[in-house]
Amino acid sequence: DAKTTQPPSMDCAEGRAANLPCNHSTISGNEYVYWYRQIHSQGPQYIIHGLKNNETNEMASLIITEDRKSSTLILPHATLRDTAVYYCIDFGGSQGNLIFGKGTKLSVKP
Amino acid sequence: GAVVSQHPSWVICKSGTSVKIECRSLDFQATTMFWYRQFPKQSLMLMATSNEGSKATYEQGVEKDKFLINHASLTLSTLTVTSAHPEDSSFYICSAAGLARDTQYFGPGTRLTVL
Repeated sequence: DAKTTQPPSMDCAEGRAANLPCNHSTISGNEYVYWYRQIHSQGPQYIIHGLKNNETNEMASLIITEDRKSSTLILPHATLRDTAVYYCIDFGGSQGNLIFGKGTKLSVKP
Repeated sequence: GAVVSQHPSWVICKSGTSVKIECRSLDFQATTMFWYRQFPKQSLMLMATSNEGSKATYEQGVEKDKFLINHASLTLSTLTVTSAHPEDSSFYICSAAGLARDTQYFGPGTRLTVL
């Protein structure tokens, strides 16, 4: 079973920031927080990952709390094409497998 | 990010026949490839993990004689669904990871429908 907890769904207005929370209270010290998203009928797309520092790339920002028990994925200016299921996964790399939970279904509305 | 392709993107077959799905890493060498299955309105479930040149490791409940996996090169893995039945109809997705096996990059998926 997945070890992370995410809200089942969220709405966001087009052009606004989408903030997707994730709880990973049992994350161990060598596990990263990974975010993927899956647009309907497609394979998952890698977004970003981090260990304890905040990370930013061309797609999103990842904010990890100091105790590492939770994180927030931020899409700064959501578009309709960002509508997807977003998965937060704690993953130790070579020491484990990606375990997908139910994710958060983000609906970006015009 | 790295690009992973799958072929075919969709396939319809008769019950009892076998279907082969290919997964290729296009711009990197994938020492490890993974095969997932996703039923409608459910999340991805890992079926098996394969390392180049060695036998695949199957997850509990996945029949290795039914889902044959070959990972003969660093850029190609194949999944063969043997003697397919309607309950094997699903969305099959592969992913690939490099030597560090940290970030997995996913293919676009293959929709299998068994009549």
